[in-house]
Amino acid sequence: DAGVIQSPRHEVTEMGQEVTLRCKPISGHNSLFWYRQTMMRGLELLIYFNNNVPIDDSGMPEDRFSAKMPNASFSTLKIQPSEPRDSAVYFCASSLEVGGARTDTQYFGPGTRLTVL
Amino acid sequence: AQSVTQPDIHITVSEGASLELRCNYSYGATPYLFWYVQSPGQGLQLLLKYFSGDTLVQGIKGFEAEFKRSQSSFNLRKPSVHWSDAAEYFCAVGAMTGGGNKLTFGTGTQLKVEL
Repeated sequence: DAGVIQSPRHEVTEMGQEVTLRCKPISGHNSLFWYRQTMMRGLELLIYFNNNVPIDDSGMPEDRFSAKMPNASFSTLKIQPSEPRDSAVYFCASSLEVGGARTDTQYFGPGTRLTVL
Repeated sequence: AQSVTQPDIHITVSEGASLELRCNYSYGATPYLFWYVQSPGQGLQLLLKYFSGDTLVQGIKGFEAEFKRSQSSFNLRKPSVHWSDAAEYFCAVGAMTGGGNKLTFGTGTQLKVEL
C-alpha cells in the first residue's frame, strides 16, 4: 500500500498568492482529515470528511481556508490569499470507519511544508 | 471537550536506559488513546492505541503504554531505548463524532538519546 500521498512536499509562495495542497488517502478509507502543525500551536485539526462529506470544519482558521473532497481518492486544501502566518506543515490523514466501530486508526501522510514569504 | 497534556517538552536518556513519557488526558467518557511518533521531516506513525480491554497495550518497536483511569494517564514506556528512538512523541485522545475518530493531540515530547 502506498499510504497517504501528499503533494507538494514543500511549497514556498509569496503573501497574497493562492496555495493548493493535495491529498490522496489510502484506498478504501472513508474518512479524511487535514491537520496543521506549528511550533506555537502544535497539531490542530482543521477539517475532516466522512464519505466525501465535510463533517466538522470548526478548526478552519478563517474564510481564506477551504477544503474539498470531490471523490473518495482526492482532497484539496486551499488558502486564498495566503499570509505569512499560514506557514506551517500541513498533514493529511485517512482512516476507515467500519459500522461505527471505534477502532479506526488515522494514517498520516508525510506532510506539506508551506512557507509564505 | 477533550484535552491532552504532555508535561515534558524534552527528555534525554542514554541508549539502553528505560524510558517513560507522560500523558494525561481529560475526557468525559471512556477515552480512546493513541501514541504517535514523528521523526524529523516525516509524518506521524502510530505506535499503539487503547480502545478497551487490557489496560496494558503493546505497540510496535518495543513500546507499551498503560491506561490508568484513576490517574487519567496513558504513559508510554520502553525498557531499553535505542538511538533510533530519537524523535518526537505525541499522545492523542479520540472522540467519536458523526463521521469518525476526531483526535486531539498533546504538544509532544522531544526525545533525545545519548550514545
